[in-house]
Amino acid sequence: DGGITQSPKYLFRKEGQNVTLSCEQNLNHDAMYWYRQDPGQGLRLIYYSQIVNDFQKGDIAEGYSVSREKKESFPLTVTSAQKNPTAFYLCASIGGGPMRQPQHFGDGTRLSIL
Amino acid sequence: SQELEQSPQSLIVQEGKNLTINCTSSKTLYGLYWYKQKYGEGLIFLMMLQKGGEEKSHEKITAKLDEKKQQSSLHITASQPSHAGIYLCGADITGTASKLTFGTGTRLQVTL
Repeated sequence: DGGITQSPKYLFRKEGQNVTLSCEQNLNHDAMYWYRQDPGQGLRLIYYSQIVNDFQKGDIAEGYSVSREKKESFPLTVTSAQKNPTAFYLCASIGGGPMRQPQHFGDGTRLSIL
Repeated sequence: SQELEQSPQSLIVQEGKNLTINCTSSKTLYGLYWYKQKYGEGLIFLMMLQKGGEEKSHEKITAKLDEKKQQSSLHITASQPSHAGIYLCGADITGTASKLTFGTGTRLQVTL
């Protein structure tokens, strides 16, 4: 079955540590996205990539970094510069083409501080 | 202030009752997407609306986009416990289809 796989499901970060969240898709989608979800808030866009080797900052990119070396993969690194990393992180992707399509989401990674 | 306002924030309804969730924008909604989320899980796509006045239905859920394309509603008929969860609207308000703006979500509980 095609889909988006996020791992791990739960992640704990020590102070001063960088951690990387994985997002892999086998939908052959061109564009991929990273969102952060906090309680009582909607999804906020961190970074997105519309093509391999290219990505753009979203609304809350500070303290995060990404790479897009392969079409299938869009890992997110939460750096030590992100002072409030505790949140639920969602990865999404969308296919190309002339018709408008919905974004498909992974099951999320919950990041907490130790 | 939020670019996309969702109301109500939470809703408790008795099983079998109807309910409506609203999603309002001050900007044109070029594409409007409804998603459902169970706590701690990803978003499940429900419906997409693009044209003013468009209405779509799936099982007991109906979504509408108003003629001015600035408000959408999600209506559930004869609610069931399986309808419980968080409903989020996401919108393309730039017209580029490259980014979505999301509402804060509506938490729905269905009591027996």
